[in-house]
Amino acid sequence: GAGVSQSPRYKVAKRGQDVALRCDPISGHVSLFWYQQALGQGPEFLTYFQNEAQLDKSGLPSDRFFAERPEGSVSTLKIQRTQQEDSAVYLCASSNRDRLAKNIQYFGAGTRLSVL
Amino acid sequence: QKEVEQNSGPLSVPEGAIASLNCTYSDRGSQSFFWYRQYSGKSPELIMSIYSNGDKEDGRFTAQLNKASQYVSLLIRDSQPSDSATYLCAVRNRDDKIIFGKGTRLHILP
Repeated sequence: GAGVSQSPRYKVAKRGQDVALRCDPISGHVSLFWYQQALGQGPEFLTYFQNEAQLDKSGLPSDRFFAERPEGSVSTLKIQRTQQEDSAVYLCASSNRDRLAKNIQYFGAGTRLSVL
Repeated sequence: QKEVEQNSGPLSVPEGAIASLNCTYSDRGSQSFFWYRQYSGKSPELIMSIYSNGDKEDGRFTAQLNKASQYVSLLIRDSQPSDSATYLCAVRNRDDKIIFGKGTRLHILP
């Protein structure tokens, strides 16, 4: 694809509801990252995939957060039993080399999640 | 101490002047440094990367890195109103994570 595509762009959820956020990276990009960006803050790392392998999930804030990339392309970030503090923009980024290289991350437009 | 620190601003600079954005980082093992620009409601866009000490110039942008002082900066020459945005400093630390600062809001005064 021309760029990193995320959907939905906006999601409003009631507290306790489960949500699923989708990321379609640039075609052929090996690495995929999820970030959480709260208002007025920089992006905070959540998790990293190299192909289908989730190599780092140390940034996931709780066990309510789960990410997958089963075929090494599209990734889904799932948040179970959403809480108000989960309200943020969720950014996905991809790069065409593994993270040890001086690769450039390209960001999607993000999904703005609002939990009421 | 946060791993990557930036002054949140806003930094106001007259049009045509030089805007200077600063960033410090805590992990001495960091090797890669990035500046992203983020317009309100948009995603971050990479504008500069720098990996070795010294200056790196690209058009109106110059990134400066001083690993001894754990300091990286971004200079924008001939500032334009379209440069008004939040500038995020990002550092790849020794654990290969990219850590972002909170960003500096830059406002170019016409």
